[in-house]
Amino acid sequence: NAGVTQTPKFQVLKTGQSMTLQCAQDMNHEYMSWYRQDPGMGLRLIHYSVGAGITDQGEVPNGYNVSRSTTEDFPLRLLSAAPSQTSVYFCASSYHNSYEQYFGPGTRLTVT
Amino acid sequence: SQKIEQNSEALNIQEGKTATLTCNYTNYSPAYLQWYRQDPGRGPVFLLLIRENEKEKRKERLKVTFDTTLKQSLFHITASQPADSATYLCAPGNAGNMLTFGGGTRLMVKP
Repeated sequence: NAGVTQTPKFQVLKTGQSMTLQCAQDMNHEYMSWYRQDPGMGLRLIHYSVGAGITDQGEVPNGYNVSRSTTEDFPLRLLSAAPSQTSVYFCASSYHNSYEQYFGPGTRLTVT
Repeated sequence: SQKIEQNSEALNIQEGKTATLTCNYTNYSPAYLQWYRQDPGRGPVFLLLIRENEKEKRKERLKVTFDTTLKQSLFHITASQPADSATYLCAPGNAGNMLTFGGGTRLMVKP
């Protein structure tokens, strides 16, 4: 199993550009989520999904969009990038009744 | 609002000693609490989960306690090794797999 994969690993955007961060898992996990990690602030939940076709907002959803058309994929879209979105983004997945979360390797995003 | 506090200062200990990391939470009544390890440039890796009705849980050299009265969890690594050097994150959670993460404590084990 590849586990949770994320692409790209690094990305530089200009203010106002849009892009999609990709996340995929091959463990047939129902639950998937996106976090951002900033120095001194820990991991903060952006959006999550409990299954295909179902998404919901986390703690810091503004400026981000998600969809879950398949069990395997959970892309995160930045609609109009802002410098405040400079961060490291992690995708995670888990079985619905397991709680143990598997994290991807992260995407380091810089917005100039 | 929920607040999860971990010591933001790095913990430096000598190899072979026991490392103890603290996680305090306020305005929260989690059903369980997880601990994760994170190495530089990598995603967190799950270590242990302890439920609200469990006082203590062990896994090899790791031990976690969960005191719902004090609203605190302690994470112990016995016989610490330089390879244990990493940042450790605590994450209380409730039903629905939603976790709230603390900022993490960096552990440095010196040979």
